[in-house]
Amino acid sequence: AQSVTQPDIHITVSEGASLELRCNYSYGATPYLFWYVQSPGQGLQLLLKYFSGDTLVQGIKGFEAEFKRSQSSFNLRKPSVHWSDAAEYFCAVEGGKLIFGQGTELSVKP
Amino acid sequence: EAGVAQSPRYKIIEKRQSVAFWCNPISGHATLYWYQQILGQGPKLLIQFQNNGVVDDSQLPKDRFSAERLKGVDSTLKIQPAKLEDSAVYLCASSLVSGGLSGELFFGEGSRLTVL
Repeated sequence: AQSVTQPDIHITVSEGASLELRCNYSYGATPYLFWYVQSPGQGLQLLLKYFSGDTLVQGIKGFEAEFKRSQSSFNLRKPSVHWSDAAEYFCAVEGGKLIFGQGTELSVKP
Repeated sequence: EAGVAQSPRYKIIEKRQSVAFWCNPISGHATLYWYQQILGQGPKLLIQFQNNGVVDDSQLPKDRFSAERLKGVDSTLKIQPAKLEDSAVYLCASSLVSGGLSGELFFGEGSRLTVL
């Protein structure tokens, strides 16, 4: 069965520092992978997605993610975090239906 | 372009009472989803509609939850009777096509349910 694991429940980074959020998936075939962001009291917004091709995908708000089949990972990165990036981030895998990880809460220190 | 609309935003009820949530998807979106998001967890799919037909309701607790999508547009999710463990945010989402073909689900802001 497909599943997604986000090992970090909560991460705090300083504003301007780099960010990497981890995501590991379990899926038998080539997965469709997504990162969504959820600000407090808001719905989820798609940051980026991977279907095939180039394993480094660019998204909105300066985010990128790299698909590594050998590690079953799809980690999200940003070179310089802004205070407005504080939110909950969800990795998801699609194989018939969208399965979400449990989320990583990002806090940004001034 | 208007987004996915949900109401009410907040609802507090006693256990064993009933509640209904409404969702209006983005115009033209054939697929509609209801997700349950319990505090500290990722969203879990409850039911997926393609137009007005059910595609997947395998995780819908059918003894207390029901959902319908009349005329393939708006949808209503009902809980009767509610239990304490139903306290969650109920997210509605829509997409142009089913599953990963388009890759993007558009989410509403959610309806937060508290069961006392």
